Amino acid sequence: AQKVTQAQTEISVVEKEDVTLDCVYETRDTTYYLFWYKQPPSGELVFLIRRNSFDEQNEISGRYSWNFQKSTSSFNFTITASQVVDSAVYFCALSLYNQGGKLIFGQGTELSVKP
Amino acid sequence: NAGVMQNPRHLVRRRGQEARLRCSPMKGHSHVYWYRQLPEEGLKFMVYLQKENIIDESGMPKERFSAEFPKEGPSILRIQQVVRGDSAAYFCASSGQGMNTEAFFGQGTRLTVV
Repeated sequence: AQKVTQAQTEISVVEKEDVTLDCVYETRDTTYYLFWYKQPPSGELVFLIRRNSFDEQNEISGRYSWNFQKSTSSFNFTITASQVVDSAVYFCALSLYNQGGKLIFGQGTELSVKP
Repeated sequence: NAGVMQNPRHLVRRRGQEARLRCSPMKGHSHVYWYRQLPEEGLKFMVYLQKENIIDESGMPKERFSAEFPKEGPSILRIQQVVRGDSAAYFCASSGQGMNTEAFFGQGTRLTVV
């Protein structure tokens, strides 16, 4: 069975601090996708990234970066120089190659960035 | 280029009433997925539909819940005889042809049962 674990339930940082959100996944499949979504207080889901299992290159997009390590089944997300607007719940998710939009979500990490 | 549209955004029902949640997929998308997010929890897969077919309903509660995606019109998630425990945010996602295409989420419908 597949599983996604986000061990950090809540994180609180002060603005401009860097913060890393952890994500560990479990699957026996060799081909899969990993995702991060942001859910701000308004409630919608904002897509951040999709990464396939064959691409272990780290990715950077502005203040966001992702570290994918198959050896530890982790897909961690770092926000550099956090801002108050980054305050949200962040979800990590997994989908199998042949299951399209059927995602298995972690429980989410609530990030609070204080001024 | 409208995204996935869900309506209503907020729905209040009394216990015992029926709730109907609608999802219009992105243009050209023929695959629809419904998810439920209970308070303080992550999203849980409920059902996957293609036009006129239910492909995977492994996450649907066995009673009171049903879903359809007719040839014409939006996908409907129907909850009969709602109870307080049905209060949640219900998200719909859609994707195009092929099992590898990315799914896009709607803004969700927040159901409150009073």
